Amino acid sequence: AQKVTQAQTEISVVEKEDVTLDCVYETRDTTYYLFWYKQPPSGELVFLIRRNSFDEQNEISGRYSWNFQKSTSSFNFTITASQVVDSAVYFCALSEEGNTGKLIFGQGTTLQVKP
Amino acid sequence: DGGITQSPKYLFRKEGQNVTLSCEQNLNHDAMYWYRQDPGQGLRLIYYSQIVNDFQKGDIAEGYSVSREKKESFPLTVTSAQKNPTAFYLCASSIVLDRIYEQYFGPGTRLTVT
Repeated sequence: AQKVTQAQTEISVVEKEDVTLDCVYETRDTTYYLFWYKQPPSGELVFLIRRNSFDEQNEISGRYSWNFQKSTSSFNFTITASQVVDSAVYFCALSEEGNTGKLIFGQGTTLQVKP
Repeated sequence: DGGITQSPKYLFRKEGQNVTLSCEQNLNHDAMYWYRQDPGQGLRLIYYSQIVNDFQKGDIAEGYSVSREKKESFPLTVTSAQKNPTAFYLCASSIVLDRIYEQYFGPGTRLTVT
């Protein structure tokens, strides 16, 4: 069965600190897709990244970076030099190929960045 | 502007009443989804639709109903049979890129039933 675990319920950091949000997934499929979404206080989910199971290259986008490791079934998200605007709930999600696009979400990690 | 619209943002109902949540998209996406979010929890799939006039139950469909008469619209009805209807409801639509469904979300409707 598919499952996504975000063990960190809440994280609090001071502005400019680096922070890593953990995501561990379970799936029997060899082809799958992993996502990260950001949910600011307004409630709307904002797409951040998608990663295919056959592409283990790490990705960097500005202050954001993602570390995908199939050996440990993890897809961790790091924010470098955090800012107050990064405060939000972050969700990791999993989708299997051809599975009609259904997403399995983790429980989310609430990140609070204090000035 | 292209996007997904959900209205209203806040909705209040008395217990025992059915209520319909609106979801409209002008992105020309084929697939649409409804999720429910409870405090401190992730999103759970209620219903989804890949084409017009067709839809499937998700993980927590009991007490909900949907219709998909138009490509742009996927309304969700929360019936009186839903035992705990108070929640945040998110609608999404997706585009298929290289057989991958990439979902985009609306702003959500917060439903309170008393």
